[in-house]
Amino acid sequence: ETGVTQTPRHLVMGMTNKKSLKCEQHLGHNAMYWYKQSAKKPLELMFVYNFKEQTENNSVPSRFSPECPNSSHLFLHLHTLQPEDSALYLCASSQDWSTDTQYFGPGTRLTVL
Amino acid sequence: TQLLEQSPQFLSIQEGENLTVYCNSSSVFSSLQWYRQEPGEGPVLLVTVVTGGEVKKLKRLTFQFGDARKDSSLHITAAQPGDTGLYLCAGGYSNSGYALNFGKGTSLLVTP
Repeated sequence: ETGVTQTPRHLVMGMTNKKSLKCEQHLGHNAMYWYKQSAKKPLELMFVYNFKEQTENNSVPSRFSPECPNSSHLFLHLHTLQPEDSALYLCASSQDWSTDTQYFGPGTRLTVL
Repeated sequence: TQLLEQSPQFLSIQEGENLTVYCNSSSVFSSLQWYRQEPGEGPVLLVTVVTGGEVKKLKRLTFQFGDARKDSSLHITAAQPGDTGLYLCAGGYSNSGYALNFGKGTSLLVTP
């Protein structure tokens, strides 16, 4: 498999549930990113990892918890979410954090009931 | 603050027509990327431009980076239904890859 993959592609959860999103990149990159995409808004950067170290946390609520066990895998753990957290969550990777060009996965469409 | 303004927001045209979409900013970028995103999918990189005045062509798509590296345009010749999607521009700064600034996008619909 090539590129950036994300699972699941669709997720529906209640506000009291705990779930995790998974991202895997097969590009040999060292930086990985989580973005949130809501209707009529620009992509919002949530977290950045460079060589497994978190380099950016863009004032994201603590109900979102990232994990990066190695340079190829990135997780986003979700708990006690709100309906306004419903959005498309995109994972991306780049050669390293100083590289402008990023490659995106297909996203996880999250609906919080 | 919205650093990158894209126009138009929506565009509906017939197959065979030409179109241009714009990406404007008051900031100077070290590079600018264009992506196309289809419904339910992630953005797919089309091109990266880095030099002021640079023009790149990708089949029927022509990308231009402004001389001052503050703006960019995407021109599509003889649009096809397969060109339908959301076109996003993103501006980057040297040594700050994680600081990509995205526009809201131009939603293009090409009808047969």
